[in-house]
Amino acid sequence: AQTVTQSQPEMSVQEAETVTLSCTYDTSESDYYLFWYKQPPSRQMILVIRQEAYKQQNATENRFSVNFQKAAKSFSLKISDSQLGDAAMYFCAVIISNFGNEKLTFGTGTRLTIIP
Amino acid sequence: DAMVIQNPRYQVTQFGKPVTLSCSQTLNHNVMYWYQQKSSQAPKLLFHYYDKDFNNEADTPDNFQSRRPNTSFCFLDIRSPGLGDAAMYLCATSRDTGARDTGELFFGEGSRLTVL
Repeated sequence: AQTVTQSQPEMSVQEAETVTLSCTYDTSESDYYLFWYKQPPSRQMILVIRQEAYKQQNATENRFSVNFQKAAKSFSLKISDSQLGDAAMYFCAVIISNFGNEKLTFGTGTRLTIIP
Repeated sequence: DAMVIQNPRYQVTQFGKPVTLSCSQTLNHNVMYWYQQKSSQAPKLLFHYYDKDFNNEADTPDNFQSRRPNTSFCFLDIRSPGLGDAAMYLCATSRDTGARDTGELFFGEGSRLTVL
């Protein structure tokens, strides 16, 4: 079974600055997908960014980018030019490609606060 | 427009009094999931439906049941809620399971259950 660890329960960043959220995972599979989900207060969880394990190139989505280190099983999220709307709980998650055993496993989350 | 809608957003029940939470989707997705999320914890998968096929997680208590009468609707029934069942319940959908699709889950805003 796979596990996901987010070692930073809370983070804060000044508006317009850059922040990096950490995530490590453990799986014995070689083919899997990694995600960062954002859960704003009292709103639904939405996908921020997705990374396929077989791709070496780090995924980027506008101000959001990842640093994927497959050998180290590390998948950090960098948020550039932080905005007040980025304040949320961020969950790292992994899903393996093993047919019939696909289950999204979440980390415990990092609460991000944006300081005006 | 909201694509995954959960009702009610807030539910208060008494210890042992059955409760039903509902989820509807306009995405025509094959898969519907129910997650339990307690404060400061990762969402925990309770079960999911692939079309009409029900898939229960091994550690989901018997107290939790689910129904999916059609593609659009899925219900979570808690037969005898205990104090430990107080949580946010998240419904999510995906077009297919796991990595056979993008792996992206679409979440509702959640139903917060309070047990008195």
